[in-house]
Amino acid sequence: QSVLTQPPSASGTPGQRVTVSCSGSYSNIGRENVYWYQHLPGAAPRLLIHTDNQRPSGVPDRFSGSKSGTSASLAISGLRSEDEADYYCAAWDASLRGHVFGSGTKVTVL
Amino acid sequence: EVQLVESGGGLVQPGGSLRLSCVVSGFTFSSNDMHWVRQVTGKGLEWVAGIGTTGDTYYVGSGRGRFIISRENAKNSFYLQMNSLGGEDTGVYYCASGMSGWIHWGQGTLVTVSS
Repeated sequence: QSVLTQPPSASGTPGQRVTVSCSGSYSNIGRENVYWYQHLPGAAPRLLIHTDNQRPSGVPDRFSGSKSGTSASLAISGLRSEDEADYYCAAWDASLRGHVFGSGTKVTVL
Repeated sequence: EVQLVESGGGLVQPGGSLRLSCVVSGFTFSSNDMHWVRQVTGKGLEWVAGIGTTGDTYYVGSGRGRFIISRENAKNSFYLQMNSLGGEDTGVYYCASGMSGWIHWGQGTLVTVSS
């Protein structure tokens, strides 16, 4: 059972906006930076968002991150077929003294 | 170009041991924390262990006492010694690094624990 909770699935049609939520606690999201990763089958994970809402160079601005209290969200606007993947939130957990990932959300483009 | 290349995966019997290696190029290895992340077959991503620039180490709960992470700055390499392996350890193991988030990843190495 993951420390960070995500919905197992989300979906949308091309061009729509999809949001993925990530719920944690004070010991992780509440006091630490949140990161988001995209994972395609057979490939290495890709960093999409760091420090709650910052995009690394090369990540399209269709991807955005936000955080409030002990929850975080990833939004994908202008959904495209190549966005179909698994998405994970992650954070350091001060109580566990380790990094934790969310349970993962499979985004499907209908 | 940044490259992280894992090796050492393979088939091991339950209760056995395996040592994974990750060789890094394209950035200043000694100045970066390094991590191992895995995807157990059929499950999500799980952080396994991390080692800081000063050699401080951190482990996931299920790995404490079984896994040992180490680094060799002179060889731009770090390692994961895994002992007492069980079926729940079967999966793809990635090495990863980054100053803010894990932006650099290896291609992954498959570990299969089976008799």
